[in-house]
Amino acid sequence: AQKITQTQPGMFVQEKEAVTLDCTYDTSDPSYGLFWYKQPSSGEMIFLIYQGSYDQQNATEGRYSLNFQKARKSANLVISASQLGDSAMYFCAMRERTGGFKTIFGAGTRLFVKA
Amino acid sequence: SQTIHQWPATLVQPVGSPLSLECTVEGTSNPNLYWYRQAAGRGLQLLFYSVGIGQISSEVPQNLSASRPQDRQFILSSKKLLLSDSGFYLCAWSVQGLAGLNEQFFGPGTRLTVL
Repeated sequence: AQKITQTQPGMFVQEKEAVTLDCTYDTSDPSYGLFWYKQPSSGEMIFLIYQGSYDQQNATEGRYSLNFQKARKSANLVISASQLGDSAMYFCAMRERTGGFKTIFGAGTRLFVKA
Repeated sequence: SQTIHQWPATLVQPVGSPLSLECTVEGTSNPNLYWYRQAAGRGLQLLFYSVGIGQISSEVPQNLSASRPQDRQFILSSKKLLLSDSGFYLCAWSVQGLAGLNEQFFGPGTRLTVL
């Protein structure tokens, strides 16, 4: 079974609007971390935001926020006020305490920001 | 601040030739180090990770190997490249401890084409 599922292969958003990128995960480990990374066309992976399984509040980092719904096992990334530079691939990832150092990545969502 | 370097940025190698990719981290001590491979249009696959000098764990059996001769140096090698070794190779580091759930920071990557 897929541990991380990103159901949107591609998304379009108008500049200055908000967009939500979906991510669902599957784990039986009560202790885990969820991550979002951005990969522009240059290829580098840029860490965006982290949510711990025991965190009570949704994580926020500038224009990025993580809509963490633990019961539904979803960790959607919300980008507010989209900019042209936000066009990139976005990966959701998870690390489980029992998984050691293994980070499991989703297949990614390609975001296109339109001017 | 911490920085992570990878070289070369791009590499074209014939089948059967050897490979050596280097990754170095600056500005931190005793990091966890990782090698990932990303096939075109796909997510990341963890190849190796290391928690210390000379300590290498392999996630996927293959004709690749890794070594950590110094605290902040991680090398990915192969004695004979296969066509299937083509891909984008990313090195990453993370802080030791924090229950292993901390984020990883990635290098700029090496794009390897095996012909």
